[in-house]
Amino acid sequence: GDSVTQMEGPVTLSEEAFLTINCTYTATGYPSLFWYVQYPGEGLQLLLKATKADDKGSNKGFEATYRKETTSFHLEKGSVQVSDSAVYFCALSDPGKGGSYIPTFGRGTSLIVHP
Amino acid sequence: DAGVIQSPRHEVTEMGQEVTLRCKPISGHDYLFWYRQTMMRGLELLIYFNNNVPIDDSGMPEDRFSAKMPNASFSTLKIQPSEPRDSAVYFCASRLGGGHGYTFGSGTRLTVV
Repeated sequence: GDSVTQMEGPVTLSEEAFLTINCTYTATGYPSLFWYVQYPGEGLQLLLKATKADDKGSNKGFEATYRKETTSFHLEKGSVQVSDSAVYFCALSDPGKGGSYIPTFGRGTSLIVHP
Repeated sequence: DAGVIQSPRHEVTEMGQEVTLRCKPISGHDYLFWYRQTMMRGLELLIYFNNNVPIDDSGMPEDRFSAKMPNASFSTLKIQPSEPRDSAVYFCASRLGGGHGYTFGSGTRLTVV
């Protein structure tokens, strides 16, 4: 079945550092890929997505490129801020049974940014 | 739109009591999902509905858990009787169609003592 593997956290960075959170996936079909962010005490929010190979999703300075050849969707940001401290989830969804597109989530990676 | 609305935000109950969690999805969204989040297991899909019909409840842990969606704007997740191991954050999410991202509610933090 489908699966998503994320790097273990927490990832601890200083403000303005470069961020990479690795995500790799296995899927039987041709999935769409997502990054969600969860701030403390809140639900997950869609951060960005990509629906086909070589697509780059971007939002709020974050970006990720759909790499079919390496089955990866790594999240990057050039300069993190304290306000980026949150848990980041990689996810995929493919049509599945009856076109249901039920996503598979990774375990989440906690990011802590210090001033 | 106010987003997906869940209530209550926090619930503390004694073991053996019935607990009902509520969710109002985004208007027009045709899929509704209930998730449970714990440190041990991460995010688990419990059940999902399409056009108010339950499609897959294979993630519901036991018969103590039940979910309903009587109309397009309301769903409940009930636990009866509750147990301490049910303590978790329960999220409701809704989505329009397939292949798109979800909108999550803020969750209900359930503590069973």
